[in-house]
Amino acid sequence: DAGITQSPRYKITETGRQVTLMCHQTWSHSYMFWYRQDLGHGLRLIYYSAAADITDKGEVPDGYVVSRSKTENFPLTLESATRSQTSVYFCASSDSGRISLNTEAFFGQGTRLTVV
Amino acid sequence: GENVEQHPSTLSVQEGDSAVIKCTYSDSASNYFPWYKQELGKRPQLIIDIRSNVGEKKDQRIAVTLNKTAKHFSLHITETQPEDSAVYFCAASLTGGGNKLTFGTGTQLKVEL
Repeated sequence: DAGITQSPRYKITETGRQVTLMCHQTWSHSYMFWYRQDLGHGLRLIYYSAAADITDKGEVPDGYVVSRSKTENFPLTLESATRSQTSVYFCASSDSGRISLNTEAFFGQGTRLTVV
Repeated sequence: GENVEQHPSTLSVQEGDSAVIKCTYSDSASNYFPWYKQELGKRPQLIIDIRSNVGEKKDQRIAVTLNKTAKHFSLHITETQPEDSAVYFCAASLTGGGNKLTFGTGTQLKVEL
């Protein structure tokens, strides 16, 4: 699934620093999502976007900021990293389904973030 | 918002046996129910999905059933093989309502030789 890529794959940062995780998809999917994965919690939605310049909060948005100036990119920024934000972050994208009825979400490889 | 509960959290079966994972959801408006498989260190990947206008769907050794009235859906894997060992996640969403997936907490399936 080379169509959606995340960078970096691994990141160690210090408490209080700003860090940005990148996500890029080549399918021109309308929807993009950021999830965090923690043991015992599964995948929890942080933010999502229905189209360029349209973003909305998910289940756990506090401490995160997103933007979507272009359809293909959806960066996630931790403005002031905290240890509780140590996690594996997955970006995903899906088509709207309005024409194809296919709303399968495709995931990037993940970014393992450690805040020390 | 939607809430998805998944059971069991761990499941160990002998090779060749069947495995069943169950999920319940809370929002009766949800109409799309995918199942994802995640191998260690890898990304989640879709293995099967079902929409609310269908009660059952099968793909080789994998099947999913949906009971809309009970807000309950299940994954069935028959003739399990060692390569089926992974974490499985159920999810629910409303297509056209943001396509946001709400995931269960996952089931660690171990297929023993």
